[in-house]
Amino acid sequence: GAVVSQHPSWVICKSGTSVKIECRSLDFQATTMFWYRQFPKQSLMLMATSNEGSKATYEQGVEKDKFLINHASLTLSTLTVTSAHPEDSSFYICSARDLGRYNSPLHFGNGTRLTVT
Amino acid sequence: EDQVTQSPEALRLQEGESSSLNCSYTVSGLRGLFWYRQDPGKGPEFLFTLYSAGEEKEKERLKATLTKKESFLHITAPKPEDSATYLCAGETSGSRLTFGEGTQLTVNP
Repeated sequence: GAVVSQHPSWVICKSGTSVKIECRSLDFQATTMFWYRQFPKQSLMLMATSNEGSKATYEQGVEKDKFLINHASLTLSTLTVTSAHPEDSSFYICSARDLGRYNSPLHFGNGTRLTVT
Repeated sequence: EDQVTQSPEALRLQEGESSSLNCSYTVSGLRGLFWYRQDPGKGPEFLFTLYSAGEEKEKERLKATLTKKESFLHITAPKPEDSATYLCAGETSGSRLTFGEGTQLTVNP
């Protein structure tokens, strides 16, 4: 089945630094990938839609200059948290769909736990 | 505004004690209703997609059903390994998912 891989699975960084998270579709091509954020005991909130070859679409309230998204190829999207602050500490999860399969669901990566100190 | 509401927030069952989880939705242009399982520190794992009222899908001890306003996830004779958070999500155009808050299920041996 479709597999989505994220790296790293966890990262600790100092306040003011930037962190890059990678999301890869391992056995299919994804023209669109989705980035979600999940705070403890809460559900997933869509942050942005990453589009291969064009600009990402951000949800209302998500700062595009803080959360930089690059979808450089059909199998890779990256999320860079710039000038991270402790309030950015969260669980970041990406997802993608194999459009080559009829009625394929959205598959999720295993997430990246970001802790900003 | 699209909304997905799950109940209960938490559910404790004894092994073998069957029950149901509820997902109520108000989603414009619903394209599909998804159920996922999420273990602590992991991403959601796909369980089911339901597309139309009256549809049912089964997988091992789980069965998902859909009406025009709700979806249920029935768990028959659960085992401790079924303990997880179960998430419901409605899909609209562009593959956008609106998630509920989840039901945290604990099955005691």
